[in-house]
Amino acid sequence: NAGVTQTPKFRILKIGQSMTLQCTQDMNHNYMYWYRQDPGMGLKLIYYSVGAGITDKGEVPNGYNVSRSTTEDFPLRLELAAPSQTSVYFCASSSPFRREKLFFGSGTQLSVL
Amino acid sequence: QQQVKQSPQSLIVQKGGISIINCAYENTAFDYFPWYQQFPGKGPALLIAIRPDVSEKKEGRFTISFNKSAKQFSLHIMDSQPGDSATYFCAASSQTGANNLFFGTGTRLTVIP
Repeated sequence: NAGVTQTPKFRILKIGQSMTLQCTQDMNHNYMYWYRQDPGMGLKLIYYSVGAGITDKGEVPNGYNVSRSTTEDFPLRLELAAPSQTSVYFCASSSPFRREKLFFGSGTQLSVL
Repeated sequence: QQQVKQSPQSLIVQKGGISIINCAYENTAFDYFPWYQQFPGKGPALLIAIRPDVSEKKEGRFTISFNKSAKQFSLHIMDSQPGDSATYFCAASSQTGANNLFFGTGTRLTVIP
């Protein structure tokens, strides 16, 4: 019963590098989300998806891209990493029957130096 | 712009005391108000939630009080325990539109034995 799994847990990037944060869930949830958490700022929604093949922007989408080819996976792509993208990233999912109850992964701590 | 404002930023309470965290919102379309609890190194987890048709909801030692006219809601933790030490986030969403959650900035609670 894994729930939402994120990899990697930690990563250090140099400015201008690219990487993909992986997220997979085994609860057959239609809805998936990417949040970033910065100290004193709470969680901000980056992108979300309501099902395979459908994605949409959240509050802070600039500098990120997503894709949703399967129900289980929702990777987040950082292109041309910048110091402002240093943050803790959380993936979450929810059921269409109770969309407001989010299940979160344990996070990816990313530093861009 | 912070859609949900949360205070205090940090809170220290003695074991057995009452912890109170407050949140306020402006968007009258919000109709779901959850509280999430986050332990260090973990993702947030849903603790308790309320809809605006009731003024209070209690689950064990945790109570949400909701004031629709003032657009405020609060979390009360009775008989606070050291195991309650965590960061607490209030949030709000609207069932119309994208129905995404907007989080407060978080309150770091420390319960002293």
